[in-house]
Amino acid sequence: QVQLQESGPGLVKPSGTLSLTCAVSGGSISTTNWWSWVRQAPGKGLEWIGNIYHSGTTNYNPSLKSRVTLSVEKSKNQFSLKLSSVTAADTAVYYCARIVPEISFDSWGQGSLVTVSS
Amino acid sequence: EIVLTQSPGTLSLSLGERATLSCRASQSVSSNYLAWYQQKPGQAPRLLIYIASSRATGIPDRFSGSGSGTDFTLTISRLEPEDFAVYFCQQYGSSPLTFGGGTKVEIK
Repeated sequence: QVQLQESGPGLVKPSGTLSLTCAVSGGSISTTNWWSWVRQAPGKGLEWIGNIYHSGTTNYNPSLKSRVTLSVEKSKNQFSLKLSSVTAADTAVYYCARIVPEISFDSWGQGSLVTVSS
Repeated sequence: EIVLTQSPGTLSLSLGERATLSCRASQSVSSNYLAWYQQKPGQAPRLLIYIASSRATGIPDRFSGSGSGTDFTLTISRLEPEDFAVYFCQQYGSSPLTFGGGTKVEIK
């Protein structure tokens, strides 16, 4: 059973860069699955940020594309999110998740609350 | 971008009752790649249904999904105490992946 765990700072200053890492355990990141980030602002719905394959191929949500960078470290079995030029609107719980082809998000991390505030 | 509209926003029901949740897409969902998730407070979403009607591993058979094209339904045949939660639909047939706004199922 694959498990995912987010880590990173819980507080980021406005105009700064949000950085999170998702450690994958119980399975290799180098499979036919994609790896993804989804966020949820307090009391709000879910927003897909982007996906990355173990080869480094990425897909981003156009609404965030100019500020998002996803990367993968196969040797550490983890993938990462960077979101630049953050504002208070980026305050949210950030989830990493696995996407299985034809099935969608079948495994999720517990979530990491990131607050943007000075 | 495919916009998913869920209704109702809140469903107030009693234990043992049937819950019917709707998800309508602004355009046809390719290959019926429509999933349903359950989310409880402070927890990550949990996959219930994929490809509109296939139950995910370990999901009780009181949960069922139906529909195609632009209209999809999640049905919970008899509500159990652990079923009171928020439910989201999500399409993954085209990019960007999008989620509905959610339906909260609460105890009446």
